Amino acid sequence: GAVVSQHPSWVICKSGTSVKIECRSLDFQATTMFWYRQFPKQSLMLMATSNEGSKATYEQGVEKDKFLINHASLTLSTLTVTSAHPEDSSFYICSARDIVGSSYEQYFGPGTRLTVT
Amino acid sequence: QKEVEQNSGPLSVPEGAIASLNCTYSDRGSQSFFWYRQYSGKSPELIMFIYSNGDKEDGRFTAQLNKASQYVSLLIRDSQPSDSATYLCAVKEAGNMLTFGGGTRLMVKP
Repeated sequence: GAVVSQHPSWVICKSGTSVKIECRSLDFQATTMFWYRQFPKQSLMLMATSNEGSKATYEQGVEKDKFLINHASLTLSTLTVTSAHPEDSSFYICSARDIVGSSYEQYFGPGTRLTVT
Repeated sequence: QKEVEQNSGPLSVPEGAIASLNCTYSDRGSQSFFWYRQYSGKSPELIMFIYSNGDKEDGRFTAQLNKASQYVSLLIRDSQPSDSATYLCAVKEAGNMLTFGGGTRLMVKP
């Protein structure tokens, strides 16, 4: 089956610093990747859609200058949380859609737990 | 605003029973519907998807879709304690974005 990895799986950083999270499709190519955020006991909220070779599309209320997304290749998208604050502490999950085959499925990465102190 | 609604639960069923999870959605034009299972601290994993009215079975799982009523459900037969998790209903929108419901927490008691 399609595998999506994320790195790191967890990170603790100090307030004001930046953190980069990587999302990789390991055995397939993905023109589109999605970044979600999930707070405790809440559902997934889509932050942005990452398109290979073009600018990401951000959901309403998500600051594009704070959450920088780069989809540099068909297998890698990165999310950088700039000037992180404690309220950015959350579970960040990416998903990817295979470039070929069924358009119905998205494959989720294992998630990255960010804690900002 | 497009919405996907689920009862947050918890839904508690005894081991071996049938668990029934329900989901309603607001966008009548939605075409594809997904059920994900999420264990605490983990990311969602796809259980099933359905896009035609009626039932779709896969092992112990059956997804049911009624587009006229804007309703999709997931039945889990012979529930096991390992099925205890949060089940997320998701609806595919244009551009392949998924809109998730709030999830239903299922507890299967031995």
